[in-house]
Amino acid sequence: GQQVMQIPQYQHVQEGEDFTTYCNSSTTLSNIQWYKQRPGGHPVFLIQLVKSGEVKKQKRLTFQFGEAKKNSSLHITATQTTDVGTYFCAGGGGGATNKLIFGTGTLLAVQP
Amino acid sequence: NAGVTQTPKFRILKIGQSMTLQCAQDMNHNYMYWYRQDPGMGLKLIYYSVGAGITDKGEVPNGYNVSRSTTEDFPLRLELAAPSQTSVYFCASTGSGGPETQYFGPGTRLLVL
Repeated sequence: GQQVMQIPQYQHVQEGEDFTTYCNSSTTLSNIQWYKQRPGGHPVFLIQLVKSGEVKKQKRLTFQFGEAKKNSSLHITATQTTDVGTYFCAGGGGGATNKLIFGTGTLLAVQP
Repeated sequence: NAGVTQTPKFRILKIGQSMTLQCAQDMNHNYMYWYRQDPGMGLKLIYYSVGAGITDKGEVPNGYNVSRSTTEDFPLRLELAAPSQTSVYFCASTGSGGPETQYFGPGTRLLVL
């Protein structure tokens, strides 16, 4: 079946350093969404990418969708302690159900 | 709007017991989903519904059942609890079938002993 993998599983950075997580799907995606989950919390939507090669920015966060629509990345510039949490990508296969296949997640720890 | 609500927040079950996890949303969303999240892992889709009276299996449906008698409510039933069902359960909803944000509830933490 369809799989979505993320690397790394865990990243520990010093506050102010940059951070990147990569997402790879075994199949071509209709769209990709990114979610953030704080420790003990629930996933919260960050952004959605639909077009091949699309790049979107939210303040210090930059999201990219690959040309082949099988991979994506999230880059955080100058991390802050508020960035701590697990970042999940979620691939949509299209169709009428909006079902998502969630990636394995990357846990980001930021040391002040 | 309260968004997506889930009850209970936490529950301990003995092996073989049954329980229903409640999920409700007040956003008039047609699409609702149940996920489980095991420690340090991503979310796996258990069941989903595209509208009242319509449900379908996700990736990991075994051991669970759902119903959708109203647009607002989407309960998840565990009939014979097993230790493998120890997990955090999240309910989510979205307004349409197109690519759209899924709104998650706060989760139910279930421990089966």
